[in-house]
Amino acid sequence: GAGVSQTPSNKVTEKGKYVELRCDPISGHTALYWYRQSLGQGPEFLIYFQGTGAADDSGLPNDRFFAVRPEGSVSTLKIQRTERGDSAVYLCASSPENRREQYFGPGTRLTVT
Amino acid sequence: QKEVEQNSGPLSVPEGAIASLNCTYSDRGSQSFFWYRQYSGKSPELIMSIYSNGDKEDGRFTAQLNKASQYVSLLIRDSQPSDSATYLCAVLQGAQKLVFGQGTRLTINP
Repeated sequence: GAGVSQTPSNKVTEKGKYVELRCDPISGHTALYWYRQSLGQGPEFLIYFQGTGAADDSGLPNDRFFAVRPEGSVSTLKIQRTERGDSAVYLCASSPENRREQYFGPGTRLTVT
Repeated sequence: QKEVEQNSGPLSVPEGAIASLNCTYSDRGSQSFFWYRQYSGKSPELIMSIYSNGDKEDGRFTAQLNKASQYVSLLIRDSQPSDSATYLCAVLQGAQKLVFGQGTRLTINP
């Protein structure tokens, strides 16, 4: 079946602009996660949704970052007033209900110039 | 001390040999452990999960877990050039948050 999809695959934006990154999880998966990966590092947790609600947003670096999942499926990660330090690959993952394994999408490479 | 530690490598192994990748973690209460493979420019791909002490085998891959010593390892038998990638160790923290090591870069030499 289809895996996790993310759009866009690449996003270049200017410092100070607003961006939205989209994630479409595997069909039927109830849990959705956002991670961020910088070059040479492992992914870092940002936020986790169980259904429509954010069950754990402890990894969001500051209030410029926000994520929603209004209907319990597709999620959007929103970044306001982007900074050069936000440049990274943003990864989305999903899990079936009551399972611990997380499956990653292809990621969105964000470059802030 | 980092929560999950891996040797960044690079680890170079001849084709056909066994590649051994190691990972240590700091949270003694951790219960769930994962190995992901990441090719250059691609996203992490789940290859093994392990939840109980001992060995778990899947094809050429064997994951080993020792909770008392707080380490997890991944063995790749009969290594192939296509196994060349970065291997990420991840530990589940709390309900669903994965904490990753920085990854070990593995190169299989033909």
